[in-house]
Amino acid sequence: DQQVKQNSPSLSVQEGRISILNCDYTNSMFDYFLWYKKYPAEGPTFLISISSIKDKNEDGRFTVFLNKSAKHLSLHIVPSQPGDSAVYFCAATIYTGTASKLTFGTGTRLQVTL
Amino acid sequence: NAGVTQTPKFQVLKTGQSMTLQCAQDMNHNSMYWYRQDPGMGLRLIYYSASEGTTDKGEVPNGYNVSRLNKREFSLRLESAAPSQTSVYFCASSGALDERDYEQYFGPGTRLTVT
Repeated sequence: DQQVKQNSPSLSVQEGRISILNCDYTNSMFDYFLWYKKYPAEGPTFLISISSIKDKNEDGRFTVFLNKSAKHLSLHIVPSQPGDSAVYFCAATIYTGTASKLTFGTGTRLQVTL
Repeated sequence: NAGVTQTPKFQVLKTGQSMTLQCAQDMNHNSMYWYRQDPGMGLRLIYYSASEGTTDKGEVPNGYNVSRLNKREFSLRLESAAPSQTSVYFCASSGALDERDYEQYFGPGTRLTVT
């Protein structure tokens, strides 16, 4: 039972264009959503997050949108750059009162071409 | 400030051997986590420790034990390694005293092969 799903395993975008990565979830108890970026042979690094009470959060070239009624979130990267080529993981969390347990999607490999 | 460090980076074990993966963080975080990443499956939580002296099971705890040695260190032990435990293992930490516990910071990973 996969509670966080990323249905596109890969995405190819031209440099300068918009990259849109999608994520769906099933558990309505998730209270925070995060995007992580991962380069080969490195650990995931935090990119951007959004609280379940918001519908948009922006940080420079990165914007995350949350549609709670559809249980869907997306990450927009504008403009895309070659250095953005990586695997992007969507994650969701439920705060237990003592710790946040992250549930990850399977990842989308983004390739930004010249 | 090294963040989250993990040792070793690579390890090959024979079936039935035991080993301990080490993790340390220098960010004064309260919570620490162990994940495994398998091809096409994202990261799955093995065990976590909300604070020093406490540990709890995650999604895939079978075959593993953990120790929260102190606030900085959280180790993962495989008592009798199996080929199904071939994976990349990531340690993470989160939750300084003055912030909510959402963002987790990851180490570089340990690539383990069990033959």
